[in-house]
Amino acid sequence: DIQMTQSPSSLSASVGDRVTITCRASQSIGNYLNWYQQKPGKAPKVLIFAASSLQSGVPSRFSGSGSGTDFTLTISSLQPEDFATYCCQQSYGIPRTFGQGTKVEI
Amino acid sequence: QVLLQESGPGLVKPSGTLSLTCAVSGGSISSSNWWTWVRQPPGKGLEWIGEIYHSGSTDYSPSLKSRVTMSVDKSKNQFSLKLTSVTAADTAVYYCASIHGGVFDLWGQGTVVTVSS
Repeated sequence: DIQMTQSPSSLSASVGDRVTITCRASQSIGNYLNWYQQKPGKAPKVLIFAASSLQSGVPSRFSGSGSGTDFTLTISSLQPEDFATYCCQQSYGIPRTFGQGTKVEI
Repeated sequence: QVLLQESGPGLVKPSGTLSLTCAVSGGSISSSNWWTWVRQPPGKGLEWIGEIYHSGSTDYSPSLKSRVTMSVDKSKNQFSLKLTSVTAADTAVYYCASIHGGVFDLWGQGTVVTVSS
């Protein structure tokens, strides 16, 4: 199985801050990496697919980068509605695996 | 707009079978998507359970494979999950979703399943 490790597990930030979340795969996965946002009591929502492609309707302050084993999700200017949990997911192979999540708090 | 809606018992007894159904509306289950189940134990991360194509082809998580069965009912435009021999560790929010190009692009709202006597 491909293990996905995120860091940090949680972070505190303020509105307007630049936030960076890292995801590392246990083996090379090319650009087969997706990012999701999940708010309490809600289903996850895809933000970024194929490491750096912005899902339709997602604000441009979200961006993704990386390839191989190391990936980054960046929020350029944190907005109040961005306080949530973010997780990565590899789509390189089966079983599909997710990172453990990063909670972005005030 | 395709919508997914989970349904099934919210309480299952230990050693029993968890059965859930996901109704697909606004689109056909025979599209090019794979259909999947994901669960999330309280306070924990997302766990992929498995997925099924409309042809009936399946892939299951190795850790759950011995207890999982997924099926598709094209006449009702829905797919289902059965998980046998459940324990408290199977208590979670269960989501159905669609996978397109490896991306979990559409999700149901989730349903809470508690395993308890």
